[in-house]
Amino acid sequence: KAGVTQTPRYLIKTRGQQVTLSCSPISGHRSVSWYQQTPGQGLQFLFEYFSETQRNKGNFPGRFSGRQFSNSRSEMNVSTLELGDSALYLCASSFGQGLYEQFFGPGTRLTVL
Amino acid sequence: QKEVEQNSGPLSVPEGAIASLNCTYSDRGSQSFFWYRQYSGKSPELIMFIYSNGDKEDGRFTAQLNKASQYVSLLIRDSQPSDSATYLCAVPQAGTALIFGKGTTLSVSS
Repeated sequence: KAGVTQTPRYLIKTRGQQVTLSCSPISGHRSVSWYQQTPGQGLQFLFEYFSETQRNKGNFPGRFSGRQFSNSRSEMNVSTLELGDSALYLCASSFGQGLYEQFFGPGTRLTVL
Repeated sequence: QKEVEQNSGPLSVPEGAIASLNCTYSDRGSQSFFWYRQYSGKSPELIMFIYSNGDKEDGRFTAQLNKASQYVSLLIRDSQPSDSATYLCAVPQAGTALIFGKGTTLSVSS
């Protein structure tokens, strides 16, 4: 069974631009969560989507947003990029909400110059 | 806000030894705990989760919970060089959202 896929794998943007990242969960999984990983802060939860609805949100500014489509694919958007947004963005899918195992995708490495 | 703390390491052990990794959690009400392994340049993968009702053993891995002191341990017996990775401890926040510690880097030398 195919794993979680994320596109693109690498991105280079400049300050002030916006970016959209995409995540396709494992077939049959309906929950998608997004995390940001940096050397300084570690792995931090951004938001979770289940059945096209945002269920939980982490402590990030409103520049970070996301959505989920009817096929469970998810996108996250970061507007007005800042240098500090440089990070590895990981998407994780699970069968449902609650204590289901989360499977992480390979991530998108975003560099903001 | 729940918090999870881990010693960043590196923790260095010789091949065949027992590696002991710890994490402390702030919310006394936490009921479940996750251990993820992350190899350099790769994404995290789940290796163990336990509930508050007891310890758990899976092959060479054992997870132990000390509720009174609010810490969770991961023991790796017969450590192998392939176990060299960063180990992340996590607790659920809400739904499937997880709060992660910053991870402990384990180095197993042959």
